[in-house]
Amino acid sequence: VQLVESGGGLVQPGKSLKLSCSASGFTFSSYGMHWIRQAPGKGLDWVAYISSSSGTVYADAVKGRFTISRDNAKNTLYLQLNSLKSEDTAIYYCARSVGLDYWGQGVMVTVSS
Amino acid sequence: EIVLTQSPTTTAASPGEKVTITCLASSSVSNMYWYQQKSGASPKLLIYSTSSLASGVPDRFSGSGSGTSYSLTINTMEAEDAATYYCQQWSSNPLTFGSGTKLEIK
Repeated sequence: VQLVESGGGLVQPGKSLKLSCSASGFTFSSYGMHWIRQAPGKGLDWVAYISSSSGTVYADAVKGRFTISRDNAKNTLYLQLNSLKSEDTAIYYCARSVGLDYWGQGVMVTVSS
Repeated sequence: EIVLTQSPTTTAASPGEKVTITCLASSSVSNMYWYQQKSGASPKLLIYSTSSLASGVPDRFSGSGSGTSYSLTINTMEAEDAATYYCQQWSSNPLTFGSGTKLEIK
């Protein structure tokens, strides 16, 4: 099992970014997937979940601004981040459900002017 | 939202010592999960469904608990166990984590 995030970077407040998580080594379409973030020096903060049938759940802090999606044909999970705020600065991890048994290496998103 | 309170926040143990980390939930949860995160690395699943050991995890780690009180125990501390440990629940939305316990080696 391997999960590889990409798409991070430095972005100005109010702008957008799209993260990707490429999955391999398992039947991606059969698993729910999560995005979890970790601000510098802080703890783990759950962001969003998408089920194998593409049902979604979001943390209140990102509801209406972030969108989780998946492309099972490409074995890829996405997180669209809109209206970014400085408090969204964090390492973003994708992880496989139910227990978060596999995690990617993470991708850094920095929101700053 | 179910709040998970971990204690202690920070602790240190000598090699061979027994370590226990507790996680108290603000409401009853059906299962608890535990993760280990070493500096600069991604979190790693240690315990799932309260007491089941994840694949490849040494059997000096164990989990127990029910309702609102859960614990992670390291039976005999080793230097490689120095890390931050997090509990996590998903009995109800949103999925939440504890604030973490930093474990250092003496």
